[in-house]
Amino acid sequence: QKEVEQDPGPLSVPEGAIVSLNCTYSNSAFQYFMWYRQYSRKGPELLMYTYSSGNKEDGRFTAQVDKSSKYISLFIRDSQPSDSATYLCAMKTSYDKVIFGPGTSLSVIP
Amino acid sequence: DGGITQSPKYLFRKEGQNVTLSCEQNLNHDAMYWYRQDPGQGLRLIYYSQIVNDFQKGDIAEGYSVSREKKESFPLTVTSAQKNPTAFYLCASSIFVRSGRTGRIGNTEAFFGQGTRLTVV
Repeated sequence: QKEVEQDPGPLSVPEGAIVSLNCTYSNSAFQYFMWYRQYSRKGPELLMYTYSSGNKEDGRFTAQVDKSSKYISLFIRDSQPSDSATYLCAMKTSYDKVIFGPGTSLSVIP
Repeated sequence: DGGITQSPKYLFRKEGQNVTLSCEQNLNHDAMYWYRQDPGQGLRLIYYSQIVNDFQKGDIAEGYSVSREKKESFPLTVTSAQKNPTAFYLCASSIFVRSGRTGRIGNTEAFFGQGTRLTVV
């Protein structure tokens, strides 16, 4: 079993839809959870960084962590064509390297 | 502006050649990383360096070498021993922070460069 699993998609939604992106993990020692957005042929950029279980909101983006279920989600409200990208989840223990998921490809159709 | 600069953006290598990918940061970050990204796979760690003149192997270090002579620079050499070098290479950096309570050191999230796409011809 991989440490971090993520549905690769592709996921296609109409503009304005609510998008839900998810990752599961197996290592209960993970404490820090990140979401990155990667446009084609570009480096990833950090979107959200969370530590505890629960929700963290930043504009149209909400990151949710459920440590008891080993499950994290990223919600995008009022999705825009500019949100079309690959979304990578990532996580780490306190003092170890970051483990990345394979990414979910998202297309928002105007 | 502060950031991480990778060059070149595209690189072509002939079989049997060594090539060096450049990574420079002006963020004054302690730690630097090299990742490889292949289609359908997560980023895989090649090498990382927490401090000048020190570096450690990541998960897929075979066929690669690095140096860290300056804080702001962390070049990656893809040697002829790397059997499947065609990939997208990403450099990243992060800051180490010391926990006041425990004294232990950990790193923050990584910031990425724009990548170098290496193709073997």
